[in-house]
Amino acid sequence: GAGVSQSPSNKVTEKGKDVELRCDPISGHTALYWYRQRLGQGLEFLIYFQGNSAPDKSGLPSDRFSAERTGESVSTLTIQRTQQEDSAVYLCASSFQPGSSYEQYFGPGTRLTVT
Amino acid sequence: QQQVKQSPQSLIVQKGGISIINCAYENTAFDYFPWYQQFPGKGPALLIAIRPDVSEKKEGRFTISFNKSAKQFSLHIMDSQPGDSATYFCAASHGGTASKLTFGTGTRLQVTL
Repeated sequence: GAGVSQSPSNKVTEKGKDVELRCDPISGHTALYWYRQRLGQGLEFLIYFQGNSAPDKSGLPSDRFSAERTGESVSTLTIQRTQQEDSAVYLCASSFQPGSSYEQYFGPGTRLTVT
Repeated sequence: QQQVKQSPQSLIVQKGGISIINCAYENTAFDYFPWYQQFPGKGPALLIAIRPDVSEKKEGRFTISFNKSAKQFSLHIMDSQPGDSATYFCAASHGGTASKLTFGTGTRLQVTL
Protein backbone atom coordinates (compact mmCIF):
# COMPACT_ATOMS: atom_id res chain seq x y z
CA GLY A 1 0.00 0.00 0.00
CA ALA A 2 0.98 3.64 -0.36
CA GLY A 3 3.06 5.17 2.37
CA VAL A 4 3.24 8.77 3.52
CA SER A 5 3.95 11.08 0.62
CA GLN A 6 5.21 14.64 0.70
CA SER A 7 5.50 17.33 -1.92
CA PRO A 8 7.50 18.96 -3.22
CA SER A 9 10.56 16.82 -2.56
CA ASN A 10 12.76 19.89 -2.90
CA LYS A 11 11.94 23.57 -2.61
CA VAL A 12 14.28 26.50 -3.11
CA THR A 13 12.87 29.88 -2.18
CA GLU A 14 14.11 33.38 -1.65
CA LYS A 15 14.24 34.89 1.80
CA GLY A 16 10.98 36.61 2.61
CA LYS A 17 8.77 34.43 0.39
CA ASP A 18 6.02 32.17 1.70
CA VAL A 19 6.12 28.40 1.13
CA GLU A 20 3.60 25.59 1.47
CA LEU A 21 4.62 22.02 2.13
CA ARG A 22 2.15 19.19 1.63
CA CYS A 23 1.74 15.86 3.40
CA ASP A 24 -0.50 12.98 2.33
CA PRO A 25 -0.70 10.52 5.22
CA ILE A 26 -1.50 6.84 5.01
CA SER A 27 -5.21 6.40 4.42
CA GLY A 28 -7.10 5.86 7.65
CA HIS A 29 -4.39 7.27 9.88
CA THR A 30 -5.93 9.73 12.31
CA ALA A 31 -2.74 11.12 13.82
CA LEU A 32 -0.36 13.26 11.81
CA TYR A 33 2.91 14.82 12.94
CA TRP A 34 5.28 17.37 11.43
CA TYR A 35 8.98 17.35 12.33
CA ARG A 36 11.94 19.44 11.17
CA GLN A 37 15.42 18.02 10.58
CA ARG A 38 18.23 20.52 10.38
CA LEU A 39 21.51 19.47 8.84
CA GLY A 40 23.41 17.18 11.18
CA GLN A 41 20.74 17.31 13.84
CA GLY A 42 17.93 15.14 15.05
CA LEU A 43 14.29 15.66 14.25
CA GLU A 44 12.44 18.39 16.12
CA PHE A 45 8.71 18.07 16.74
CA LEU A 46 6.65 20.90 15.26
CA ILE A 47 2.94 20.07 15.49
CA TYR A 48 0.55 17.15 15.95
CA PHE A 49 -2.93 16.65 14.49
CA GLN A 50 -5.63 14.34 15.78
CA GLY A 51 -8.19 14.33 13.01
CA ASN A 52 -8.42 17.91 11.80
CA SER A 53 -7.58 19.54 15.10
CA ALA A 54 -4.12 20.34 16.44
CA PRO A 55 -3.99 19.69 20.18
CA ASP A 56 -0.24 20.27 20.31
CA LYS A 57 1.42 23.10 18.44
CA SER A 58 4.18 23.53 20.99
CA GLY A 59 7.02 22.89 18.55
CA LEU A 60 6.20 25.61 16.04
CA PRO A 61 9.23 27.93 16.29
CA SER A 62 7.46 31.21 15.53
CA ASP A 63 4.17 32.66 14.37
CA ARG A 64 5.50 32.51 10.82
CA PHE A 65 4.79 28.78 10.95
CA SER A 66 1.27 27.40 10.66
CA ALA A 67 -0.34 24.16 9.62
CA GLU A 68 -3.75 22.82 8.84
CA ARG A 69 -5.30 19.50 8.08
CA THR A 70 -8.47 18.95 6.11
CA GLY A 71 -10.73 15.96 5.64
CA GLU A 72 -8.69 14.05 8.21
CA SER A 73 -6.23 13.57 5.41
CA VAL A 74 -3.94 16.05 3.70
CA SER A 75 -1.96 18.48 5.80
CA THR A 76 -0.21 21.65 4.73
CA LEU A 77 2.63 23.32 6.61
CA THR A 78 2.99 26.99 5.70
CA ILE A 79 6.03 29.11 6.43
CA GLN A 80 5.55 32.83 5.90
CA ARG A 81 8.36 35.30 5.25
CA THR A 82 10.95 32.54 5.12
CA GLN A 83 14.32 33.08 6.76
CA GLN A 84 17.62 31.31 6.07
CA GLU A 85 17.38 29.50 9.40
CA ASP A 86 14.21 27.82 8.10
CA SER A 87 16.36 25.76 5.72
CA ALA A 88 15.87 22.14 6.73
CA VAL A 89 14.16 18.91 5.78
CA TYR A 90 10.54 18.94 6.86
CA LEU A 91 9.21 15.48 7.63
CA CYS A 92 5.65 14.35 8.07
CA ALA A 93 4.61 11.19 9.89
CA SER A 94 1.27 9.52 10.42
CA SER A 95 -0.02 6.81 12.70
CA PHE A 96 -3.29 4.91 12.94
CA GLN A 97 -4.00 6.49 16.32
CA PRO A 98 -1.95 8.69 18.62
CA GLY A 99 -0.01 6.87 21.26
CA SER A 100 3.12 4.77 21.36
CA SER A 101 1.22 1.56 20.61
CA TYR A 102 1.00 2.78 17.04
CA GLU A 103 4.07 3.18 14.85
CA GLN A 104 4.73 6.53 13.25
CA TYR A 105 5.39 6.14 9.54
CA PHE A 106 7.51 8.87 8.02
CA GLY A 107 7.41 10.37 4.57
CA PRO A 108 10.59 11.12 2.61
CA GLY A 109 10.52 14.78 3.56
CA THR A 110 10.67 18.10 1.77
CA ARG A 111 14.10 19.70 1.61
CA LEU A 112 13.63 23.45 1.95
CA THR A 113 16.46 25.79 1.02
CA VAL A 114 16.06 29.51 1.69
CA THR A 115 18.52 31.65 -0.25
CA GLN B 1 17.28 21.93 26.24
CA GLN B 2 18.21 18.68 24.57
CA GLN B 3 16.34 15.93 26.33
CA VAL B 4 17.92 12.98 24.52
CA LYS B 5 21.68 12.88 24.06
CA GLN B 6 23.14 10.45 21.54
CA SER B 7 26.69 9.26 20.93
CA PRO B 8 28.82 8.75 18.99
CA GLN B 9 28.10 11.17 16.17
CA SER B 10 29.68 8.77 13.68
CA LEU B 11 30.87 5.20 13.79
CA ILE B 12 32.90 3.00 11.47
CA VAL B 13 32.66 -0.75 12.01
CA GLN B 14 34.07 -3.63 10.03
CA LYS B 15 31.72 -6.15 8.50
CA GLY B 16 30.83 -8.75 11.09
CA GLY B 17 31.60 -6.46 13.99
CA ILE B 18 29.30 -5.09 16.68
CA SER B 19 27.97 -1.53 16.36
CA ILE B 20 27.00 0.16 19.61
CA ILE B 21 25.14 3.47 19.85
CA ASN B 22 24.26 5.06 23.16
CA CYS B 23 21.56 7.44 24.30
CA ALA B 24 20.78 9.16 27.57
CA TYR B 25 17.58 10.94 28.51
CA GLU B 26 16.56 13.42 31.15
CA ASN B 27 12.78 13.31 31.31
CA THR B 28 11.73 10.52 33.69
CA ALA B 29 8.21 10.66 32.23
CA PHE B 30 9.43 9.05 29.02
CA ASP B 31 7.99 5.56 28.70
CA TYR B 32 8.70 4.56 25.13
CA PHE B 33 12.12 4.39 23.49
CA PRO B 34 12.30 3.62 19.76
CA TRP B 35 15.25 3.49 17.42
CA TYR B 36 14.90 4.71 13.86
CA GLN B 37 17.03 3.93 10.82
CA GLN B 38 17.34 6.49 8.04
CA PHE B 39 18.88 6.02 4.62
CA PRO B 40 19.86 9.05 2.51
CA GLY B 41 16.87 10.68 0.87
CA LYS B 42 14.40 8.62 2.88
CA GLY B 43 12.36 9.26 5.97
CA PRO B 44 13.26 7.47 9.20
CA ALA B 45 11.85 3.98 9.66
CA LEU B 46 11.18 2.28 12.98
CA LEU B 47 13.79 -0.37 13.70
CA ILE B 48 13.08 -1.57 17.22
CA ALA B 49 11.53 -0.11 20.38
CA ILE B 50 11.48 -0.80 24.11
CA ARG B 51 9.45 0.17 27.15
CA PRO B 52 11.04 0.67 30.59
CA ASP B 53 9.49 -2.46 32.13
CA VAL B 54 12.13 -4.61 30.43
CA SER B 55 15.91 -4.27 30.37
CA GLU B 56 16.56 -5.78 26.98
CA LYS B 57 14.78 -6.46 23.72
CA LYS B 58 16.18 -8.39 20.81
CA GLU B 59 14.96 -8.58 17.24
CA GLY B 60 17.24 -10.47 14.92
CA ARG B 61 20.65 -8.79 14.90
CA PHE B 62 19.34 -5.71 16.71
CA THR B 63 19.20 -5.44 20.51
CA ILE B 64 18.15 -2.57 22.77
CA SER B 65 19.61 -2.50 26.27
CA PHE B 66 17.81 -0.28 28.76
CA ASN B 67 19.04 1.00 32.13
CA LYS B 68 16.22 2.85 33.87
CA SER B 69 18.23 3.93 36.92
CA ALA B 70 20.94 5.44 34.73
CA LYS B 71 18.40 6.83 32.26
CA GLN B 72 20.35 5.32 29.40
CA PHE B 73 19.59 2.99 26.52
CA SER B 74 21.66 1.62 23.71
CA LEU B 75 21.38 -0.09 20.36
CA HIS B 76 23.61 -3.03 19.54
CA ILE B 77 23.88 -4.28 15.97
CA MET B 78 25.46 -7.71 15.88
CA ASP B 79 27.25 -9.05 12.82
CA SER B 80 27.10 -5.62 11.20
CA GLN B 81 26.64 -5.64 7.43
CA PRO B 82 27.36 -3.01 4.76
CA GLY B 83 23.60 -2.74 4.24
CA ASP B 84 23.33 -1.47 7.82
CA SER B 85 25.20 1.68 6.80
CA ALA B 86 22.72 4.43 7.61
CA THR B 87 21.97 7.10 10.19
CA TYR B 88 20.42 5.85 13.40
CA PHE B 89 18.32 7.97 15.73
CA CYS B 90 17.21 7.16 19.21
CA ALA B 91 14.00 8.77 20.41
CA ALA B 92 11.72 8.91 23.40
CA SER B 93 8.13 9.80 24.15
CA HIS B 94 5.53 9.55 26.86
CA GLY B 95 1.86 8.78 26.74
CA GLY B 96 0.77 12.21 27.87
CA THR B 97 2.12 13.81 24.73
CA ALA B 98 0.29 11.71 22.12
CA SER B 99 3.69 10.18 21.49
CA LYS B 100 5.37 13.14 19.89
CA LEU B 101 8.92 11.91 19.62
CA THR B 102 11.99 13.61 21.07
CA PHE B 103 14.98 12.58 18.98
CA GLY B 104 18.69 12.29 19.57
CA THR B 105 21.03 13.97 17.13
CA GLY B 106 21.77 10.82 15.16
CA THR B 107 24.72 8.48 14.54
CA ARG B 108 26.06 7.93 11.08
CA LEU B 109 27.14 4.29 10.84
CA GLN B 110 29.45 3.05 8.13
CA VAL B 111 30.12 -0.67 7.88
CA THR B 112 33.21 -1.43 5.85
CA LEU B 113 34.08 -4.63 4.02
